[in-house]
Parts: sequence; C-alpha cells; structure tokens
Amino acid sequence: NAGVTQTPKFQVLKTGQSMTLQCAQDMNHNSMYWYRQDPGMGLRLIYYSASEGTTDKGEVPNGYNVSRLNKREFSLRLESAAPSQTSVYFCASSSDNPGTEAFFGQGTRLTVV
Amino acid sequence: QKEVEQNSGPLSVPEGAIASLNCTYSDRGSQSFFWYRQYSGKSPELIMFIYSNGDKEDGRFTAQLNKASQYVSLLIRDSQPSDSATYLCAGFNTGNQFYFGTGTSLTVIP
Repeated sequence: NAGVTQTPKFQVLKTGQSMTLQCAQDMNHNSMYWYRQDPGMGLRLIYYSASEGTTDKGEVPNGYNVSRLNKREFSLRLESAAPSQTSVYFCASSSDNPGTEAFFGQGTRLTVV
Repeated sequence: QKEVEQNSGPLSVPEGAIASLNCTYSDRGSQSFFWYRQYSGKSPELIMFIYSNGDKEDGRFTAQLNKASQYVSLLIRDSQPSDSATYLCAGFNTGNQFYFGTGTSLTVIP
C-alpha cells in the first residue's frame, strides 16, 4: 500500500539547471497538490490539480510548471532553477470529499547552488 | 493575508500538562479543518479533522471549531515528550484546496 510516492528524495542542482519532480498516488484520488516548505513559512501551495488535464496556480507558482499526466501522476518542473527554490517539496493527494484528509509523499529535499 | 494564520511559537509545556494550539482562518466558506503533526525531516501526518462547530475528542486530543469567530484549536492533554513536533493547521477552502498555516513548534519538557 504505497499511498503517495515522490522521487527523488534528495537533489542538488546548479543554478539554471532544470529538473522534474515526480509524484504518483495509488488511492484513486482526483485532487493532487504540490507544496513547498521553508523554515517559518509552513506549507505553501505551488500548484493544484482537481482532475486529469486540469491545473491551477496556488500561492507561489512562479518558476514552476506542472503536468497532470493521468489520474495517478502529477509532476512538478523547474525549468531554470534558482537558489530561492531551495526547499523541501511535498506532493499530496486527496479525494473530493471535504471531510477527508490530504495524504503526503515523503518529500524531496532540493538544494540549488 | 494568509488563509490560515497560526502562532508559530515555539510553545513549551511540561510533561503531563495541556498544550493549546490555535489558528484562525479567513475563508468563511471553508468547510473542514485539519490538524497535522510533523516531526523534523518527516512528512505531515493527520491527527484530527473537524467540520462541525464545537468540540471533537479523540484520545488525548480535542479539536475545537468556532465558525462565527473563524477559529480552530487543538488541545493535547497529558502531553508527552513524543508529542514534541510542529503542528500544522489546515483548511479546505471553497476552491477545494488545502491551505496550511505556518505551523506551531511544540516542545514537551520531561
């Protein structure tokens, strides 16, 4: 029972490099999310997807792109990494029922040098 | 203004005491609220959720919701050192998105 799986767990990038963070869930959830977590800032929503083929910007979308490839997978792409994007990234998923929780992946610790 | 505001603390309580964590929210249409616990270097994990006005109890934890005041709280009774973590308040807003507060760091002193 995997739940939400993120890859990679750790990554170091040089400024200007690109990379894609992968996320997959096996709970048949419609909604998926990408958050970043910085000290003292809590979890900030980057992008949200309510269903396959739909995405919406969250609180801090600049510098990121996303793809909802299918119901299971939601990827986050950094086209040209900047030191300000050094953070811990979490993918999450939830059902559409307002009373149900969001389930989180194990996180990706990204450092941009 | 963030949709969910929390006192970031840190909050320290002695073992066995009651820890009180609070948050306020701005979206009056938000339907559900959640408390997550996050240990250092780990993912958030759900403790409780609440969507009706009043109190909801689960073991040592009690969540309280006051929709008129747009206020959510979490009480931890008989606090244990293992409760030391960051506690995140989250709301499920009218856009069907989870928005999180900045978290409150709790330390339970043996």
